[in-house]
Amino acid sequence: SQKIEQNSEALNIQEGKTATLTCNYTNYSPAYLQWYRQDPGRGPVFLLLIRENEKEKRKERLKVTFDTTLKQSLFHITASQPADSATYLCALDEGQAGTALIFGKGTTLSVSS
Amino acid sequence: GAVVSQHPSWVICKSGTSVKIECRSLDFQATTMFWYRQFPKQSLMLMATSNEGSKATYEQGVEKDKFLINHASLTLSTLTVTSAHPEDSSFYICSARPGLNGYTFGSGTRLTVV
Repeated sequence: SQKIEQNSEALNIQEGKTATLTCNYTNYSPAYLQWYRQDPGRGPVFLLLIRENEKEKRKERLKVTFDTTLKQSLFHITASQPADSATYLCALDEGQAGTALIFGKGTTLSVSS
Repeated sequence: GAVVSQHPSWVICKSGTSVKIECRSLDFQATTMFWYRQFPKQSLMLMATSNEGSKATYEQGVEKDKFLINHASLTLSTLTVTSAHPEDSSFYICSARPGLNGYTFGSGTRLTVV
């Protein structure tokens, strides 16, 4: 059966450390993998997209890797700040026009000062 | 950037009544909009895909007569929850894809049926 798993429901780290979130999937062949941030009571906000032929993507303090052999993506936030505290969702994009994203359950990150 | 405006942000209604949720794309045309539902600490679950000028496509298990979707223009899609019951209480979110990158989401509607 098809599954998307984000390994931790919650992750607590100290300010300044690097947060690493994991997304694994089975029985999908996504053309893209996307990461979103969701704050309580709000809709998700797009962070990064990585294509199946890309190994790594960076944006400011964010880094995403995508390994289609392992069927895994890692999402890193370096020099984390309390303002980074939120739920982070990974989403699979099969790349066909008019198709919806398929979401993992999310990892709630708490960064303490 | 591209914005999807969703209203209302929250609504409380009595059991048996209907509630309409609107999503508007403000600076782009959305041929397709997606409607999700999210229960506490759960993933966003796709309910239906709304296509401008044609019937919506519903996911398995979602009652099309209960969740009416209308996508009458390239900038507006509506979801009407008919004869709402307490089990329909949830967070409803719409989204669209304005370009080749990420999807844009509305801010969500918290529906509470009492």
